[in-house]
Amino acid sequence: EPEVTQTPSHQVTQMGQEVILRCVPISNHLYFYWYRQILGQKVEFLVSFYNNEISEKSEIFDDQFSVERPDGSNFTLKIRSTKLEDSAMYFCASSEQGRSNEQYFGPGTRLTVT
Amino acid sequence: ILNVEQSPQSLHVQEGDSTNFTCSFPSSNFYALHWYRWETAKSPEALFVMTLNGDEKKKGRISATLNTKEGYSYLYIKGSQPEDSATYLCARTGTASKLTFGTGTRLQVTL
Repeated sequence: EPEVTQTPSHQVTQMGQEVILRCVPISNHLYFYWYRQILGQKVEFLVSFYNNEISEKSEIFDDQFSVERPDGSNFTLKIRSTKLEDSAMYFCASSEQGRSNEQYFGPGTRLTVT
Repeated sequence: ILNVEQSPQSLHVQEGDSTNFTCSFPSSNFYALHWYRWETAKSPEALFVMTLNGDEKKKGRISATLNTKEGYSYLYIKGSQPEDSATYLCARTGTASKLTFGTGTRLQVTL
C-alpha cells in the first residue's frame, strides 16, 4: 500500500542552524501539507502546497520557513534559522484532492533544537 | 465553539468494553470532519471522512456519526481490544483544505 515517507526520523540541531526536512508524498497525490505538534499541544497546520505553489499558510509559517518540491517526488520543509521553540514533531501529508479527501500522513520527523 | 475540542482527554477501558468519544467543532463554514487513529511512533491513520449532516460511517468495530448543525461527531468502538489502544484525533476542514485538529483522546485497553 502506498505511503508517505519522511526523513530523517529524528534531527538534532543547534539554534540558528538551517534544517531541511524531507518528505516523499504518495505518487498520484496533488496536495501536500506540513503540520507540526509541539509536545503536549495540538497538531497544528503550517502550510499547504498545490500546483507548485503555496495555497495557504498559517501565522507560524513566517519568513524563516519555506517549502519546495524540487522534483517530481520530494517535498521539503526548510527552516532557515532554527529557534528553540521550533522543537516539535513535523508531519508531512498528501491527498489526491483538496478538502473532502483523506490526508495521508507520514510518520513524522522529530526536530530537537538545542 | 471556536476550536475543535475532544473529550475525554484519556480513557482506560477493559477488553470487551464498548466506548465512545466526542469531537466538537465550529459549525460555520464547515466542510468535512476527519477521524484519525494514531499509535505512538507511527503515522496517523485515516479512519473516516464525513461531510453530510447525519452521516454514519463504519469500519469493522469502529463507527462514527456526524451532526453538522450542532457541531459534533461521535466515534464508537464496539468490543474494545488491546490493539485499539491509540490516540484518536478528529480534525475539521472548512473553506480551505487544511486540517484543524482537536487535542485527541488517548485510549488504553487492558486485558
